[in-house]
Amino acid sequence: AQTVTQSQPEMSVQEAETVTLSCTYDTSESDYYLFWYKQPPSRQMILVIRQEAYKQQNATENRFSVNFQKAAKSFSLKISDSQLGDAAMYFCAYRTPAYNNDMRFGAGTRLTVKP
Amino acid sequence: KAGVTQTPRYLIKTRGQQVTLSCSPISGHRSVSWYQQTPGQGLQFLFEYFSETQRNKGNFPGRFSGRQFSNSRSEMNVSTLELGDSALYLCASSLGGRPLTDTQYFGPGTRLTVL
Repeated sequence: AQTVTQSQPEMSVQEAETVTLSCTYDTSESDYYLFWYKQPPSRQMILVIRQEAYKQQNATENRFSVNFQKAAKSFSLKISDSQLGDAAMYFCAYRTPAYNNDMRFGAGTRLTVKP
Repeated sequence: KAGVTQTPRYLIKTRGQQVTLSCSPISGHRSVSWYQQTPGQGLQFLFEYFSETQRNKGNFPGRFSGRQFSNSRSEMNVSTLELGDSALYLCASSLGGRPLTDTQYFGPGTRLTVL
């Protein structure tokens, strides 16, 4: 089974601090992509960052970076210098051609940013 | 470029009725995917259409169907509504030529309530 697990239903961070959201996945495939999506209260999903499985280098997008540990099947998201606008639900997702490329999502982590 | 639009944004129906939701993708995008989001089951993939053909399908009953028009706009239909169909329905569009790597851009969703 291809599953995505986010073990932290809720996280909280102080503004300007750093927070890490966890994600693990279960797969026997070698070709896949991993994603982090953000869903603010407006409910519109926004792509934050993505990682190709064959790339060892961790992806970064401004204040967002990932720690991709392929052997451990771990894909955590680090948010640096947290801002009030980062408050949202964050979903980890997985995609592989072996399962027709449909997106499998984790249950999500609700991030609160305290001023 | 205009983003993905979904209509209507909110819908209230009663059990046994049917409903049609609409999604207009970003201009130039040929793939439209549909997702159901509920508190209990999270985000689940319904189906994907590419160039007017269903390319991929999730594990949902036949009451859920869709189609795509020549302008890439897509509709999703749910017949014989059940209380459990109450959910946020999200559509996402992408270029479609490379399903594994294409970025999906999500619409704001349609909130369906079944009474």
